[in-house]
Amino acid sequence: GDSVTQMEGPVTLSEEAFLTINCTYTATGYPSLFWYVQYPGEGLQLLLKATKADDKGSNKGFEATYRKETTSFHLEKGSVQVSDSAVYFCALSKETSGSRLTFGEGTQLTVNP
Amino acid sequence: GAGVSQTPSNKVTEKGKYVELRCDPISGHTALYWYRQSLGQGPEFLIYFQGTGAADDSGLPNDRFFAVRPEGSVSTLKIQRTERGDSAVYLCASSGPTGTDTQYFGPGTRLTVL
Repeated sequence: GDSVTQMEGPVTLSEEAFLTINCTYTATGYPSLFWYVQYPGEGLQLLLKATKADDKGSNKGFEATYRKETTSFHLEKGSVQVSDSAVYFCALSKETSGSRLTFGEGTQLTVNP
Repeated sequence: GAGVSQTPSNKVTEKGKYVELRCDPISGHTALYWYRQSLGQGPEFLIYFQGTGAADDSGLPNDRFFAVRPEGSVSTLKIQRTERGDSAVYLCASSGPTGTDTQYFGPGTRLTVL
């Protein structure tokens, strides 16, 4: 079945450091890809998405590019802030599966001042 | 407007008891999803409604789990004869009817089975 694999965490960075969180997927057909974020004490929020190959999703300084050739959707940010500390989830969905989301295990990011 | 709401926020029960978890989706959203998130894991799909009908219940782990959405809005997830392994955060999400609509998540119900 479909699956998502994220780099193992936790990840600890200093403020203004460059962030990469790796995500690869296995799926038949043409999935849409997502990054969701869960801030401490809050619910899951959509951070960005891409619906077809070579699309780039971006939001709040975060970016991810849908790479079909490497089945990847790595999350990047050029300069992280303390407020970016959260758990990040990579996910996919397919319309043929009712658009239900298949999530990776999540990556805990801590940014220190 | 209001987001997805879930009640209760926390539920503690004893092994063998019956529990109901409620989800109020965003008004007008026709699609509703239930997920379960165990500690340190990503959410796992349980069931999906389009309107009043369960379009896909393939994620329900066994027949102790059941969900309804009788009027196409509020949904209730029902768990019979709870087991300690059912302890998790149960998440609800809603979206518009098309496949590319964003799913909006509620804050979850933390279920603890003693």
